[in-house]
Amino acid sequence: QQPVQSPQAVILREGEDAVINCSSSKALYSVHWYRQKHGEAPVFLMILLKGGEQKGHEKISASFNEKKQQSSLYLTASQLSYSGTYFCGTELSNYQLIWGAGTKLIIKP
Amino acid sequence: DSGVTQTPKHLITATGQRVTLRCSPRSGDLSVYWYQQSLDQGLQFLIQYYNGEERAKGNILERFSAQQFPDLHSELNLSSLELGDSALYFCASSPQSGGYTFGSGTRLTVV
Repeated sequence: QQPVQSPQAVILREGEDAVINCSSSKALYSVHWYRQKHGEAPVFLMILLKGGEQKGHEKISASFNEKKQQSSLYLTASQLSYSGTYFCGTELSNYQLIWGAGTKLIIKP
Repeated sequence: DSGVTQTPKHLITATGQRVTLRCSPRSGDLSVYWYQQSLDQGLQFLIQYYNGEERAKGNILERFSAQQFPDLHSELNLSSLELGDSALYFCASSPQSGGYTFGSGTRLTVV
């Protein structure tokens, strides 16, 4: 039931792009994306509701493919501040989030 | 400041003891969630309250309990503590449907 995130980790140079995927075996009501820096609380990035919409937040955007039950997070022209662990949370019908295991993103100068 | 307040920030206690973690949600949010995060691990959902009522339960141990009070603040009680209970405990709040806002967490160390 836990969504599968891929890749588990990625190392980029500053300015490069990255894609993080989140797949579920269950029909989804929504998908949440969060970023957590080491020792800090997760920070909400965006929520995507079923309907296949794409959302953006500065140079970070995401898509949600309802039919495939998957979401992708796109980070373009990555900055050092983007480093951290990215979690997706998939919402079924009961307002409860099921969290992925996280994708660790390391940005090098 | 996220608007979700957690106290204390750090707690060091001995095995077998009992502690209480406190959380005040963001103004207007009725839902409160408790999570446990062990070192470099993912978020383990413990329990959710909505407007004073328990709404969902995760992998919460019987030694752990929680409640949400009429003013919507919540407390997580951890008893008969074991070394393995050492972790970061996060509280989060959310509106009816929307993103979660997390508090800064309580780092619990059991010695």
